[in-house]
Amino acid sequence: QQQVKQSPQSLIVQKGGISIINCAYENTAFDYFPWYQQFPGKGPALLIAIRPDVSEKKEGRFTISFNKSAKQFSLHIMDSQPGDSATYFCAAELRGAAGNKLTFGGGTRVLVKP
Amino acid sequence: NAGVMQNPRHLVRRRGQEARLRCSPMKGHSHVYWYRQLPEEGLKFMVYLQKENIIDESGMPKERFSAEFPKEGPSILRIQQVVRGDSAAYFCASSPTWGAETEAFFGQGTRLTVV
Repeated sequence: QQQVKQSPQSLIVQKGGISIINCAYENTAFDYFPWYQQFPGKGPALLIAIRPDVSEKKEGRFTISFNKSAKQFSLHIMDSQPGDSATYFCAAELRGAAGNKLTFGGGTRVLVKP
Repeated sequence: NAGVMQNPRHLVRRRGQEARLRCSPMKGHSHVYWYRQLPEEGLKFMVYLQKENIIDESGMPKERFSAEFPKEGPSILRIQQVVRGDSAAYFCASSPTWGAETEAFFGQGTRLTVV
C-alpha cells in the first residue's frame, strides 16, 4: 500500500507554543520523507526533509523526528509564530529511475493565535 | 531563475468542455510531475514525464485525461469532457533529474472549476 496517514487534521496553538504533527506510512520502500508548507492559493513549498537512516533533523524552529521501526515520523514547530499559520503536508517518496514520486498525507491546518 | 510557472491560475469550464493546463518547468529541469488536490485533501500523484516521454501515469484516470511534455514548450495536462468532479487544484512540479539528491519544486497551481 502506498498510503501516508497524517494527524491531526487541524491544530490551534498559541504564539510561542509547540505545534506537533504526526504521520505514519506503510510502504517500507519509501526512502525520503519531506514536509511541505502550503499557504492559501500557493503551491506546496519544501520545509524540511529526512532520510530513514536518521532519527532526527533540526532546521531552525522545525524538527523532524523519525521512527523507522514504528514507520512513523513527526514535525515539531517550536516557538510557533502567526506567520507559521498554513497547511502542512507530510510526504513519503520513492526515489529511483521511475522518478521521485511523492505520496502525501491529508494535511494539517495550523493556526497560530497571537 | 524563475520558478515553475503554471497557467492559467484559474480556469472555469462548463461540463463537457476541454481544459488545458500548462506547466513551464524551472530552467534546466527536464522532469515534470503533475498532482491533483481536491478541496481539503492532500495532493495525489497523477503523472511523471520527461521530455517527450511519459514515465509513470499510474495516477491518471483511464479516460479523458492525458499529458504531454514536448521537446519544445511547456508540459500540458489535458482534460476532455470535464465533469464537476474534475474541479480541483492541479499542481505541477519540476526537477532537474531524479534520484537521491534531487528536489522537486512546485508551481502555484491551476484551480479548475467546472460549472
